[in-house]
Amino acid sequence: KAGVTQTPRYLIKTRGQQVTLSCSPISGHRSVSWYQQTPGQGLQFLFEYFSETQRNKGNFPGRFSGRQFSNSRSEMNVSTLELGDSALYLCASSLEGTAPTGELFFGEGSRLTVL
Amino acid sequence: AQTVTQSQPEMSVQEAETVTLSCTYDTSESDYYLFWYKQPPSRQMILVIRQEAYKQQNATENRFSVNFQKAAKSFSLKISDSQLGDAAMYFCAYRFNTDKLIFGTGTRLQVFP
Repeated sequence: KAGVTQTPRYLIKTRGQQVTLSCSPISGHRSVSWYQQTPGQGLQFLFEYFSETQRNKGNFPGRFSGRQFSNSRSEMNVSTLELGDSALYLCASSLEGTAPTGELFFGEGSRLTVL
Repeated sequence: AQTVTQSQPEMSVQEAETVTLSCTYDTSESDYYLFWYKQPPSRQMILVIRQEAYKQQNATENRFSVNFQKAAKSFSLKISDSQLGDAAMYFCAYRFNTDKLIFGTGTRLQVFP
């Protein structure tokens, strides 16, 4: 079974631009979460989608948004990029339902550099 | 609010020896999940071991085992027979129901031959 796939793996943007990151969850997983990882702030939760609905949201400004499609694939968008948005963005999927196991399965991440 | 604390920023161990990584957490819930994730330089977060709080028995996965002390809110990871491939950042994480994962700050483990 294929794992969580994130694209692109690396990208460089300049301040003020916007970026869209994509995540394909493990087949059958309906929950997709996004985390930002930086050396200074560690791992911070952005948001979580389940069956195309945002179920949880972290404390990030409105420039950070996301969505989930009917096939469970998810995208996150960051508009008006700032230098501080440089980070590794991790996507994770989980199996929710009648027999949840609790764990999240992570992709390899998208490394965003803002110049 | 739930928090996860890893008080050891770095640890080192000799190959084939045993090392224990510490983790404490705070929660008012009685049933939850606890995890240890490993993040090697390749950066993909890999699940090492999971523990359900309602289970008293400590989880074990091959060379990895945990010491889960619910009353003390402690969840340490023991790695036996350490291997060079165990070198990585290790994150302790907490999850209540379908809420977000809450991570600790991580412990960098170095393994020396």
